[in-house]
This record gives sequence, structure tokens and C-alpha cells, in this order.
Amino acid sequence: QVHLQESGPRLVKPSETLSLTCTVSGYFISSGYYWGWIRQPPGKGLEWIGSIFHSGNTHYNPSLKSRVTISVGTSQNHLSLKVNSVTAADTAVYYCARENGQGLDPWGQGTLVTVSS
Amino acid sequence: DIQLTQSPSFLSASVGDRVTITCRASQGISNYLAWYQQKPGKAPKLLIYAASTLERGVPSRFSGSGSGTEFTLTITSLQPEDFASYYCQQVNSYPITFGQGTRLEIK
Repeated sequence: QVHLQESGPRLVKPSETLSLTCTVSGYFISSGYYWGWIRQPPGKGLEWIGSIFHSGNTHYNPSLKSRVTISVGTSQNHLSLKVNSVTAADTAVYYCARENGQGLDPWGQGTLVTVSS
Repeated sequence: DIQLTQSPSFLSASVGDRVTITCRASQGISNYLAWYQQKPGKAPKLLIYAASTLERGVPSRFSGSGSGTEFTLTITSLQPEDFASYYCQQVNSYPITFGQGTRLEIK
């Protein structure tokens, strides 16, 4: 069974960099699929951030592309997310998920990241 | 980018009711549409993919239809555990986009 788990700091100061890791178990990232990040501000809808293939090929949401970097660590079987120059608008629950070409499944449980001084 | 417009944004219904949620795409996406259910504090759960294919383990009271630009999610005979938020998502092209969501509440 494939399981994803997000981890990282829960509180980030404005203008700093948000960094999260998604650890995958039950499946080797290097075996295939795109792996993505999605976020959800409190009380709002879902926003796709971007995704990465094990080869390193990436796709990003144009609205975030200038501030976002997604990378993959196949030896550690994880993917990472960095969002630069954060503001309060980046406060959200951040999820990682596997993109299977038909949808996103499975998802991690999500982690709430708050941007505040 | 492909925009997805869901309607209604809010739906009030009773146990046993039949409800339909619509998702319209700003351009044709064939059948590259998925539906998710999300309960408070939980990650979204994939219900339907390829517009009409039920994910394994999803009850048959859920169904999806449509192609091109107009899609529907129908839930027949609502159960208490169905009261949640629902999102459509297009996977036809990057960037992946979601509808704004439909909140289904008990009347």
C-alpha cells in the first residue's frame, strides 16, 4: 500500500522560505508516475502547486512558478517543496499526492503551514 | 489555463435525496476529469476518474458523466457520511486545475 507523509516546519516567517518534504513508502518514486504538491488555504479550495517525475522533469502552476521549486530524492524516496518569499497568503494545508494520469491518488494527510512573524 | 466552474457552490439536502453537482470546463477536456470528496480535516479522496469510472471501493450511489466541457457528479440516496465538500479536477493538460468546490450540507 502506497503511503505519503508530509513533514517540515509548521511556522514560517514572512519573506522566508517554506520547505516541506514528502516521504513515500510502499512504492519507489523511481518506478514511475508524477508526484505533486497541492495546497488549501484555511476554509478555501484546492490549488495545484506543481509536480515532478523521477527523472526531474517538472510542471508548475504559472501563478507560483517564480517562487516554487520541487525536487525529488530517489535514494531517500521523497520529494521536496520550497516556496520562496512567503507571505500570509501562503498559509495553507500542504498536501503531496501521486499523479496517475487520471487523478491524484493517494494523498498524504497534509500539514498546516502558517506564515507569521 | 483551463478553468473549471462548479455549481452550485453550496447545496443543502436530506438523507435519501438525490443530488447533482455540475462542473464546466472553459475548453474541451475529453473525459480527463476527476471528482474528489473531502471531509473536514482530511485529505481529498478520489471518487471518480475518467469522468465516469468509479474508484475501487466507492459506493455505487456515486456516478459521474459527461465529456468535453460539461460534467456531472450524481449521488443517489444520500447517506449521512456523504455530507462533505466535492471538487472536480481536470487532468487534460498542465497546469492541473480544480473547481472551486461544492459544500454539501444536511438540511
